[in-house]
Amino acid sequence: QVQLVQSGAEVQKPGASVKVSCKVSGYTFTDYYMHWVRQAPGQGLEWMGWINPNSGGTKYAQKFQDWVTMTRDTSITTAYMELNRLRSDDTAVYYCARAKDFLRLGRPAFDYWGQGTLVTVSS
Amino acid sequence: DIQMTQSPSSLSASVGDRVSISCRASQSISSYLNWYQQKPGKAPKLLIFVASSLQSGVPSRFSGSGSGTDFTLTISSLQPEDFATYYCQQTYSNMFTFGGGTKVEIK
Repeated sequence: QVQLVQSGAEVQKPGASVKVSCKVSGYTFTDYYMHWVRQAPGQGLEWMGWINPNSGGTKYAQKFQDWVTMTRDTSITTAYMELNRLRSDDTAVYYCARAKDFLRLGRPAFDYWGQGTLVTVSS
Repeated sequence: DIQMTQSPSSLSASVGDRVSISCRASQSISSYLNWYQQKPGKAPKLLIFVASSLQSGVPSRFSGSGSGTDFTLTISSLQPEDFATYYCQQTYSNMFTFGGGTKVEIK
């Protein structure tokens, strides 16, 4: 079965970086784009960007352009999201989500999600 | 960026009620609209894709409609397990923005 298993909770100081991993199994890693979504405590969902695991190509939300990096390691079927220059308002649960283009229209939906990784930024 | 606005932000309903949640886009997004359900402490779950297509395994009491800028998620007969927060998401642009969410609570 399809599984996306994320790394554990992190506590980081302001100005530091954090790298969250998303290990997949149960499907061909390079066949589906991987997206990252975050959710601050008590808030809604915020889309951050995607990575094409096949090519390594990325697209980031404008807000995150200069301080997020999404990468992957196909040999271990793992996607990564690194956020730099952390601030207290980056405290959130970070999710990876598989994007499936059900109708082959180039417009996917997120059909499988990781369990989420809580990143706490505090001095 | 395309802005997605959901209404109401919360609602109270009883088991068996028919519930409708609205999602409005700041510009036309054709039918490229997905709906998700999220329960506390859990990852979101896909319910509806491309405005009206039901994801496999999702009960048929959930339905989606709309196109252009106005969309609706309807739960025909609310069940106890449906109390959750619901989000819409547009995939028309390459910035996949979510709506602010609608929390469905027990009346």
